[in-house]
Amino acid sequence: GEDVEQSLFLSVREGDSSVINCTYTDSSSTYLYWYKQEPGAGLQLLTYIFSNMDMKQDQRLTVLLNKKDKHLSLRIADTQTGDSAIYFCAAPKVTGTASKLTFGTGTRLQVTL
Amino acid sequence: ETGVTQSPTHLIKTRGQQVTLRCSSQSGHNTVSWYQQALGQGPQFIFQYYREEENGRGNFPPRFSGLQFPNYSSELNVNALELDDSALYLCASSLGHPGQGINSPLHFGNGTRLTVT
Repeated sequence: GEDVEQSLFLSVREGDSSVINCTYTDSSSTYLYWYKQEPGAGLQLLTYIFSNMDMKQDQRLTVLLNKKDKHLSLRIADTQTGDSAIYFCAAPKVTGTASKLTFGTGTRLQVTL
Repeated sequence: ETGVTQSPTHLIKTRGQQVTLRCSSQSGHNTVSWYQQALGQGPQFIFQYYREEENGRGNFPPRFSGLQFPNYSSELNVNALELDDSALYLCASSLGHPGQGINSPLHFGNGTRLTVT
């Protein structure tokens, strides 16, 4: 199966909380990342969590990590229209001498008024 | 602090041609990675450069090649372009020693959108 899996689409109303979920397979991942991609743009690093942490909060963003289940989630509080974008979960993988990020297919977040 | 910059932003090429994409890494970063993002997909790892040498490669053919320069900037070259090479090409820089895990986050540029006709 895929190394990183995400649901494809999430729609929320402005002001509500959004929760984007991700599962990964490589248990050796030291950090896990969330990136945001707006239309026509590159990837913006949103936040990351070290694998020995359960939770990390950064303003409106909360990352939860369940290492036993290899499940990562990103919660966006008070979701705004500017949060509409594609969100990628990414896990590092060491292959030989290279360290690469393996990405999910991305979750498209649509924020409605 | 200067972020990752890529050039050009857009490019149109014909099948069979060759293309060179450029990337300047973020200040202080010594490792550059290239990713290909096809429409509707997540980025796929092409290769990584560290100390001016290719450090690891994803599942891409040899016609994808690259360089890293002493100032850590990098080029991605693609020969004999195919229609399926149409994608967003992303460069990312980081600080650390590859092979020991990514010990600093990857910072991406805005990418080069390549269209092959």
